[in-house]
Amino acid sequence: DAEITQSPRHKITETGRQVTLACHQTWNHNNMFWYRQDLGHGLRLIHYSYGVQDTNKGEVSDGYSVSRSNTEDLPLTLESAASSQTSVYFCASSENSGANVLTFGAGSRLTVL
Amino acid sequence: AQSVSQHNHHVILSEAASLELGCNYSYGGTVNLFWYVQYPGQHLQLLLKYFSGDPLVKGIKGFEAEFIKSKFSFNLRKPSVQWSDTAEYFCAVNINNDMRFGAGTRLTVKP
Repeated sequence: DAEITQSPRHKITETGRQVTLACHQTWNHNNMFWYRQDLGHGLRLIHYSYGVQDTNKGEVSDGYSVSRSNTEDLPLTLESAASSQTSVYFCASSENSGANVLTFGAGSRLTVL
Repeated sequence: AQSVSQHNHHVILSEAASLELGCNYSYGGTVNLFWYVQYPGQHLQLLLKYFSGDPLVKGIKGFEAEFIKSKFSFNLRKPSVQWSDTAEYFCAVNINNDMRFGAGTRLTVKP
C-alpha cells in the first residue's frame, strides 16, 4: 500500500544544531507539504512543493528550508534549531489537482532544549 | 488575510449526545472545505470534504457537514457520538491551493 513515512518520529536536540526531518511518500503525488502543529494554532504551513525542483514558502517558513530532488522526498531542515521550533511536524502530500485532498504522515515530534 | 475559525476549543459530551462543531472562514470566493480528524496517537485523516453541489455532505463514521455560503460556515455534525469519536477535529479551507487549518476542536466523549 502507498504511504507517507516520516523519520525520526521523535527527536530531542539542542539549540543551534541543524536538524533534518525526512518525509518519503510512495503515492507518486506531485504536491508535498510540511506543517507544524501547535496547541491553539492548529496546523500551519511551513513549506510546500508542487513538483521536483519546486519549493515555496508557507505561512511560517522562517528558520526552515526544504529541497525537492525527486518526487518521493521532501526533507525539512532546521538550519539552527530554536526552542520556538519545538513542535509536532506533519508531512502531507496530494495529487496534482486543485482540490488538494491531503494525505498525512504520522508526524515527527521535535523537542529543542 | 484568509482565516479559519473553530470556536469550540474543547467539547465534552456523553455517549449518544448530538455533536455540532463550528467552522467559519473569511473569504468571499470559491473554496473547497474539509474536516480532518486526528485520533489519539494517530495522524490526521480526512473525515469529509465539500467541493461543489449538495451543500450537505456525508463522511465516514456517521459524520456530516453543511456548507452555508451566506454564513461562510461549514459545521460538522453527528447525531449520536460514541466514545471512539474522542479525537481532535480540524476544519480546513482550500483557497486557490492555499490550505488553511483552524486551531482544532478537541472532542472528549465520556462513556
